[in-house]
Formats: sequence, C-alpha cells, structure tokens
Amino acid sequence: AQKVTQAQTEISVVEKEDVTLDCVYETRDTTYYLFWYKQPPSGELVFLIRRNSFDEQNEISGRYSWNFQKSTSSFNFTITASQVVDSAVYFCALSEAPATSGGYNKLIFGAGTRLAVHP
Amino acid sequence: ETGVTQSPTHLIKTRGQQVTLRCSSQSGHNTVSWYQQALGQGPQFIFQYYREEENGRGNFPPRFSGLQFPNYSSELNVNALELDDSALYLCASSFGTSGSGEQFFGPGTRLTVL
Repeated sequence: AQKVTQAQTEISVVEKEDVTLDCVYETRDTTYYLFWYKQPPSGELVFLIRRNSFDEQNEISGRYSWNFQKSTSSFNFTITASQVVDSAVYFCALSEAPATSGGYNKLIFGAGTRLAVHP
Repeated sequence: ETGVTQSPTHLIKTRGQQVTLRCSSQSGHNTVSWYQQALGQGPQFIFQYYREEENGRGNFPPRFSGLQFPNYSSELNVNALELDDSALYLCASSFGTSGSGEQFFGPGTRLTVL
C-alpha cells in the first residue's frame, strides 16, 4: 500500500539556521511522483516541487533544496538560512500513475511537519 | 489567471444536517479533487471529478457526494453530518488525470459540526 511518513511532528529553529524535513514513502509502483507542499496559517496548500521516480537529481531553488534517494525511499527537503516567513506546516505527498491508481491521480499526504522559525 | 476559489470560508452545522461546499477550478483545468483535512493531520483524498464524472474515490462513505459542472466548477455534499466531519475541506484543480500533474489548492472551507 502507498504511504508517506513524516516522522518529525514539529521543528523549532532560530532564524538563519538550516533545517531538513524528512519524508519517507512506500509504493510498489515503479512510476510515481513526489511532491512537497507548504501550508501557511491561512490554510491554502502551496505547491513547492514535483519529482518523478525516474529523476533522482537533487534540485535547488533559492534557499530550498530537495534530496531524492530511491534506495532509501526518501525525499527530504532542506531550507537554508531559514526565515520567519518559512514558518508553516510542510507536507510531503505521493501520487502514482493513473494506470496503477485506477485512472485517477490522488495525492497521498504525510501527516506534515510544523516548522517554527523564531527571530 | 484566476486561482482556485472555495465558498464559504467557514461553516457551522449541527449533527444530522446536510452541507454543500463549492469550488471554482483554475482557468484551463478540467479536473477537481476534494480532500478532507482533520486538525493536525494531512489531507485525505475524498474523490476526484474529471469531465463531470466521478473517476476516483477514497475511503469515504456514500453520504459524501459531489458534482462537477460544465464549467468544471464542483460541489461537495455531505449528508447526515457527524461530529467527525469537522475539518478543513480542500478543493484542488488540475489538468487531466496524470499522476505527474500538480494540483492547485484553494484556501479551503472550515466546517464545524456541533
């Protein structure tokens, strides 16, 4: 069965610290997609990144970077030099190919990690 | 480009009542998915509508139903409300049903059942 685990419930850091959010997934499919979303207090989920199962290249976008390792089924997210505006709940999610899921694309979310960045 | 909108923002109902939540998809998107997010948890997939048909459903009872209209907007209906239905209901739109497609989320409707 598909599953996403975010073992860190809450993380508290001081501004300018680097922080890594962990994500471990389970799937039997060979084609799948991984996502990270940010949920600020307003509640709206903001898309951050998508990765497909065939692309293990790490990605960097400004202060954000992602490390995808199929060998350990992990897709970790690092924020460098954190800022107060990074405070939010971050969700890792998994989506399988429609052929596996039954013709539709649902996102399977982890429980989320609440990040608090203090000045 | 207009993003995903949802109405109402907040709603309070009593147990046993019925509720309808609404979602307008992003321009150009033909697929709408609904998710339920209980407090402190990740969103759970309820169902997905593609071209006005339900094409996938999560582990939710039949009293959760929906519609998609020709303009791709959507409704989520919940009958016989229970206390456990209290949650943030999120609507997401996308183009097609490919697993690679990112889903764009609306701000959600917070439902409280008393």
